[in-house]
Amino acid sequence: GAVVSQHPSWVICKSGTSVKIECRSLDFQATTMFWYRQFPKQSLMLMATSNEGSKATYEQGVEKDKFLINHASLTLSTLTVTSAHPEDSSFYICSAFTSTGGTEAFFGQGTRLTVV
Amino acid sequence: GEDVEQSLFLSVREGDSSVINCTYTDSSSTYLYWYKQEPGAGLQLLTYIFSNMDMKQDQRLTVLLNKKDKHLSLRIADTQTGDSAIYFCAESMGGGYQKVTFGTGTKLQVIP
Repeated sequence: GAVVSQHPSWVICKSGTSVKIECRSLDFQATTMFWYRQFPKQSLMLMATSNEGSKATYEQGVEKDKFLINHASLTLSTLTVTSAHPEDSSFYICSAFTSTGGTEAFFGQGTRLTVV
Repeated sequence: GEDVEQSLFLSVREGDSSVINCTYTDSSSTYLYWYKQEPGAGLQLLTYIFSNMDMKQDQRLTVLLNKKDKHLSLRIADTQTGDSAIYFCAESMGGGYQKVTFGTGTKLQVIP
């Protein structure tokens, strides 16, 4: 199957700093990528839909100025958590579909963010 | 809005069958998925079923769909310790570009 690589796998940062998470589709072009957040012992919650070459679409309750998404190419989307706080600590996962559509979403391995 | 629910925990003995259940509310769901998440890892698609199907079998995995009751189940035959993980059911309306709505996840514990 297609491969989605997410980097870094884990990161620890200080409060007030910004952290960038990358999501790459390695062997296919992804016009659409999704960013999810998973709280401990809870399901994945969709944060935003990232479309190549256009602004991301954020779900209700997600601060677009705090979670900056850039989808500059067909193989890369980035999520930047700005001015991170401890409550931003979570597991972030991206997913991508191929340009030709398809039925399955390919997920990255996730990034565990800890803000201290 | 869409809502997908699962029981939180299931414990089975190695060699037994596991059945993980899921209910959803969106009658327009077209694709229903089962994902596996191992500790600290991303999601792995196990299988999916179209809404016009009742059953799908793939090796040790059997998916049953009752569209009338909006009930989806995943049966794992001959459960192994390596099957211990969190299993998410999910649904979407369309294939490539639709968002996927996930259930709360069921933690499967396999006892040796």
